[in-house]
Amino acid sequence: SQKIEQNSEALNIQEGKTATLTCNYTNYSPAYLQWYRQDPGRGPVFLLLIRENEKEKRKERLKVTFDTTLKQSLFHITASQPADSATYLCALPAGSSNTGKLIFGQGTTLQVKP
Amino acid sequence: DVKVTQSSRYLVKRTGEKVFLECVQDMDHENMFWYRQDPGLGLRLIYFSYDVKMKEKGDIPEGYSVSREKKERFSLILESASTNQTSMYLCAGQGGANTGELFFGEGSRLTVL
Repeated sequence: SQKIEQNSEALNIQEGKTATLTCNYTNYSPAYLQWYRQDPGRGPVFLLLIRENEKEKRKERLKVTFDTTLKQSLFHITASQPADSATYLCALPAGSSNTGKLIFGQGTTLQVKP
Repeated sequence: DVKVTQSSRYLVKRTGEKVFLECVQDMDHENMFWYRQDPGLGLRLIYFSYDVKMKEKGDIPEGYSVSREKKERFSLILESASTNQTSMYLCAGQGGANTGELFFGEGSRLTVL
């Protein structure tokens, strides 16, 4: 079955720097991949979706890349701010058929210091 | 704005009690989900419903059942709560097509004593 690996260690960076988070998967290449943000005690909030035929997607200060050869997605936040501090989750389809079911990585916690 | 509402933010129940977690969405979504989230384990899918009265088991359905009598409401039921079901429970609706984003509720933190 598909497995997702995100760095479980927290990422600490200085305000203004670019944060880069990694999502690796182990099995078949998914048709798409999603990124979510989760604040403590709250439900995750959708940020971006990238499809397998897209190399890169941008939304304001966010950029996501998708490398099906490396089986990896990178999530970048440029000019990071303390308000970007949160846990970021990647999600993939649970199977090769398009049922809509998603599985999630454990998430990486980002801490942006002023 | 899109909204998924979970009926209880915090619940404390005793071992053996029957527990109902209610979730309502106002987006006319076909697909709805129940996940639980535990430290170090991430979000794990319990059950998935793709239409009224239609459901599919997720990765960890044991000890749980679900009900979807109306499109907007998806309920998670713990027939006999156990301490290992202490967790954060998250309900979600899925926007648009099957690749659509999930809209999550605020979560229900359940403690089973």
